[in-house]
Amino acid sequence: DTEVTQTPKHLVMGMTNKKSLKCEQHMGHRAMYWYKQKAKKPPELMFVYSYEKLSINESVPSRFSPECPNSSLLNLHLHALQPEDSALYLCASSQDVVTGSSGNTIYFGEGSWLTVV
Amino acid sequence: AQKITQTQPGMFVQEKEAVTLDCTYDTSDPSYGLFWYKQPSSGEMIFLIYQGSYDQQNATEGRYSLNFQKARKSANLVISASQLGDSAMYFCAMRARGSTLGRLYFGRGTQLTVWP
Repeated sequence: DTEVTQTPKHLVMGMTNKKSLKCEQHMGHRAMYWYKQKAKKPPELMFVYSYEKLSINESVPSRFSPECPNSSLLNLHLHALQPEDSALYLCASSQDVVTGSSGNTIYFGEGSWLTVV
Repeated sequence: AQKITQTQPGMFVQEKEAVTLDCTYDTSDPSYGLFWYKQPSSGEMIFLIYQGSYDQQNATEGRYSLNFQKARKSANLVISASQLGDSAMYFCAMRARGSTLGRLYFGRGTQLTVWP
């Protein structure tokens, strides 16, 4: 079983709605990530948090707003999304962002399937 | 810059047979890690196996082994005794020490189908 938990598993929202995706990990990891994945494509990095600070924003539109309340939690707030934002959103975590050992493997959650109507 | 190439969009294997999924990579960084992930249709991205650039031996995890050929810059995944539950998309990925904040680079994936 994955140790990165994402809720909800499925979300359908209208273009005027405000919703949030939630992610939690209890592995003591200090780096957390949001990825977006379209069908038959590899995941695309959206945001990286390192020690609860936003470290990377991959030019993601402002209708996606990340939040890291503490080292175990990561949220993605959604507002005024477009149908093309429909995708699988994956949360992930790793010990930290420094590369160099298997200890820094990135572990993913089960994903949240988002449909914007 | 780092690049991962998976040239097999789809692979088919009979149950109980072994299968090799190809992965080549390109980086000028001497320190890097190579990863394989499995993604079933449910969506979860499952970590399978890791190989460090300085590791002397090929990594193994149960039925999974990584055929690491550093000079050829290849990191093929070998699945022994395939099972029906192995049917999934498989992604090869790399992190280099010089990557910005340990960015993970993915290949395009290989869809593996195991038939009875």
